[in-house]
Amino acid sequence: KNEVEQSPQNLTAQEGEFITINCSYSVGISALHWLQQHPGGGIVSLFMLSSGKKKHGRLIATINIQEKHSSLHITASHPRDSAVYICAVFTGNQFYFGTGTSLTVIP
Amino acid sequence: SAVISQKPSRDICQRGTSLTIQCQVDSQVTMMFWYRQQPGQSLTLIATANQGSEATYESGFVIDKFPISRPNLTFSTLTVSNLSPEDSSIYLCSVEVQEKLFFGSGTQLSVL
Repeated sequence: KNEVEQSPQNLTAQEGEFITINCSYSVGISALHWLQQHPGGGIVSLFMLSSGKKKHGRLIATINIQEKHSSLHITASHPRDSAVYICAVFTGNQFYFGTGTSLTVIP
Repeated sequence: SAVISQKPSRDICQRGTSLTIQCQVDSQVTMMFWYRQQPGQSLTLIATANQGSEATYESGFVIDKFPISRPNLTFSTLTVSNLSPEDSSIYLCSVEVQEKLFFGSGTQLSVL
């Protein structure tokens, strides 16, 4: 059993669509991270959440600690958003990673 | 923020040899993390390295195979020992600074 489950695994969207990626976890956490990895590129940290909601540009991340669930939303998606998005949770001394969501945005 | 310099970026090694990967951070950090990422898969945490103490290894990873050094708060090395083709992968380090995770650019290892 994976401590972190992401859905969907793969997602294809038309440019301009609203996108949601979900992350559920089964362990107690002190923080949750959303990461972005472009093909052949490095990994970039998008958000760290411990409660509530954060917004950066077209990206919004929310977390519900009681339900052990987080979502990453992308508004007005663009082809440059095509990447793998990874959810990672930190328990205080250990990281667990989701298997990633591969997003392709078609012009 | 933090900038991590990871070396080498790639290497091709013979079976039975070892490869040491270095990560240098431009600021002092307490915890440094080492990962493996196999083709098409997400990250797998190998170990957490704290300065001044033994690294903490995740299930399935052992010190004899993946020895780690952490001599100070800005530097760490991961050695992949007794290489086999199954060790072919990308290896990455990361640190957490001001609520963000920063990653090295990765080391692509191919074992012949």
